[in-house]
Amino acid sequence: EDQVTQSPEALRLQEGESSSLNCSYTVSGLRGLFWYRQDPGKGPEFLFTLYSAGEEKEKERLKATLTKKESFLHITAPKPEDSATYLCAVLLPGSNYQLIWGAGTKLIIKP
Amino acid sequence: DAGVIQSPRHEVTEMGQEVTLRCKPISGHNSLFWYRQTMMRGLELLIYFNNNVPIDDSGMPEDRFSAKMPNASFSTLKIQPSEPRDSAVYFCASHEAGGLGETQYFGPGTRLLVL
Repeated sequence: EDQVTQSPEALRLQEGESSSLNCSYTVSGLRGLFWYRQDPGKGPEFLFTLYSAGEEKEKERLKATLTKKESFLHITAPKPEDSATYLCAVLLPGSNYQLIWGAGTKLIIKP
Repeated sequence: DAGVIQSPRHEVTEMGQEVTLRCKPISGHNSLFWYRQTMMRGLELLIYFNNNVPIDDSGMPEDRFSAKMPNASFSTLKIQPSEPRDSAVYFCASHEAGGLGETQYFGPGTRLLVL
């Protein structure tokens, strides 16, 4: 069954404490893995797309990496404004628009 | 650019009433999505339009739900009659022509509570 699993469900860090969020997937023939950020009361905001194993993308304190089974979102020296829910999604095999979404990781950065 | 616009932002209604949610996609985007988000089920795709035509409505829960896109700048999602289990946040997203799923831009959502 095609699915996306994110861990942990929630993560509390001190400001400046680096860590990683995990997104594992079971789809055949990955065509795209996407990371979004969602703030409370807002819609998901696109962060990154990864297409093939070994690919990495960076944006400010965030770096996304991809292997054949999972993706990591590394957060380096986070700040309180990085607090949000981070969602991972993959393209459903055979579709160019339908995403399989993970449940998200709620990240809280304490000052 | 104003981004995807949704209205109303909040809606409280009683069971059995009709609810209409509205969406204005980003100008120039040719695809539009309606999603529902709940704690239990996460984000679920309800319906996908391409060039104003419904392409995939397999996620629409039942006949009580209907969606229209009369032109490239406006879409509605209607629930009639509404039920308490329809309570959720409904998002509209739009998509750039020629891209894959990553270029979906989400609106702020409509938080619906059916009493």
